[in-house]
Amino acid sequence: EAGVTQFPSHSVIEKGQTVTLRCDPISGHDNLYWYRRVMGKEIKFLLHFVKESKQDESGMPNNRFLAERTGGTYSTLKVQPAELEDSGVYFCASSLLAWGDTEAFFGQGTRLTVV
Amino acid sequence: GQQVMQIPQYQHVQEGEDFTTYCNSSTTLSNIQWYKQRPGGHPVFLIQLVKSGEVKKQKRLTFQFGEAKKNSSLHITATQTTDVGTYFCAGRITGGGNKLTFGTGTQLKVEL
Repeated sequence: EAGVTQFPSHSVIEKGQTVTLRCDPISGHDNLYWYRRVMGKEIKFLLHFVKESKQDESGMPNNRFLAERTGGTYSTLKVQPAELEDSGVYFCASSLLAWGDTEAFFGQGTRLTVV
Repeated sequence: GQQVMQIPQYQHVQEGEDFTTYCNSSTTLSNIQWYKQRPGGHPVFLIQLVKSGEVKKQKRLTFQFGEAKKNSSLHITATQTTDVGTYFCAGRITGGGNKLTFGTGTQLKVEL
């Protein structure tokens, strides 16, 4: 069974540019989460999808971040325009049941560097 | 502010020594999970604790959930080089929805 897949694995962009991260969850997992780890600090919640609906987006830092999950399958996270403080590792995780009731499976992450 | 703290932030041990990381929340947790992230890797689920005072063991790893459900600990007996990585606790804050709040993590290095 394929795990959670994220693309790209690394991205280096200039400040002001746009970047789109993609996450393919484990097939059948309705719950999809985006988290990020900045500067080696704690892993912070960004948002939670249940199928195609945004269940909780309280962690989205500002309106430069847009997440979508059309069709309830893969998800994208767009950063536009990117700022230096957006650098970090963006993790996607999926779970069959609501996270907290079961484990979540993480992707390898996308390391974003804004220069 | 950060609601789930872990101590210590870093720990260097000699192989064979024991290691403990502590997780403390400012609010009650409905449950708590532990994850391990190897260098350059992604978090991998280790275990979930739900009940007050619960203790679970996985080989050399012992996990505890506090009576008040506000703290937890992970203890590794006789560390090995394969234990190297960052250990995160992640708790579901009561009334905080279906997301987990990660702790600050403890980075473990094991030297021969």
